[in-house]
Amino acid sequence: SQTIHQWPATLVQPVGSPLSLECTVEGTSNPNLYWYRQAAGRGLQLLFYSVGIGQISSEVPQNLSASRPQDRQFILSSKKLLLSDSGFYLCAWSAGTLSYEQYFGPGTRLTVT
Amino acid sequence: AQKVTQAQTEISVVEKEDVTLDCVYETRDTTYYLFWYKQPPSGELVFLIRRNSFDEQNEISGRYSWNFQKSTSSFNFTITASQVVDSAVYFCALSELYNQGGKLIFGQGTELSVKP
Repeated sequence: SQTIHQWPATLVQPVGSPLSLECTVEGTSNPNLYWYRQAAGRGLQLLFYSVGIGQISSEVPQNLSASRPQDRQFILSSKKLLLSDSGFYLCAWSAGTLSYEQYFGPGTRLTVT
Repeated sequence: AQKVTQAQTEISVVEKEDVTLDCVYETRDTTYYLFWYKQPPSGELVFLIRRNSFDEQNEISGRYSWNFQKSTSSFNFTITASQVVDSAVYFCALSELYNQGGKLIFGQGTELSVKP
């Protein structure tokens, strides 16, 4: 069966510090991978998605970036965090490029102070 | 343009009541998929159901049922005999078949509170 891991679970970082959130998927090959942010107020904002190694599409211009160094690894990064980067970050995977359901990881709660 | 509207921001019911969560969508495509997700207080989104645009049959899974009506562009979710464990935020989502990357368009969510 497939599982998705995210770490860390919670993170408190000062403004201007770097960020690295990691997501890995087990039990599947060549998944589509997604990063979402959920700010207070519940809406889910798609940040990045990837359909293959090294292929990253950005949905929202911001000071975050994403990378996919391996088939089942997806990393969200920032060189300098802003207060507005606080939120709940969710990684998800799906089985292909068509409209399959996405399965979500446990999330990382980031607080920028 | 694709859009999903969940007009109910918050719903509060007493345990054992039935509750319906509304979802209205907009799309220009004839082939699309609709989804419901549950987000309990722990935060992880849990996939509940996927329906394609060619299948308008209602679906029932235990206390959960879904009513898909293309004529009104709605995909409503009913919980029968609600329980405290049903308390969560519920999201409806839409995906057009050939959209790039299999992206989902989410509604803003409905927060359901079931009180004992």
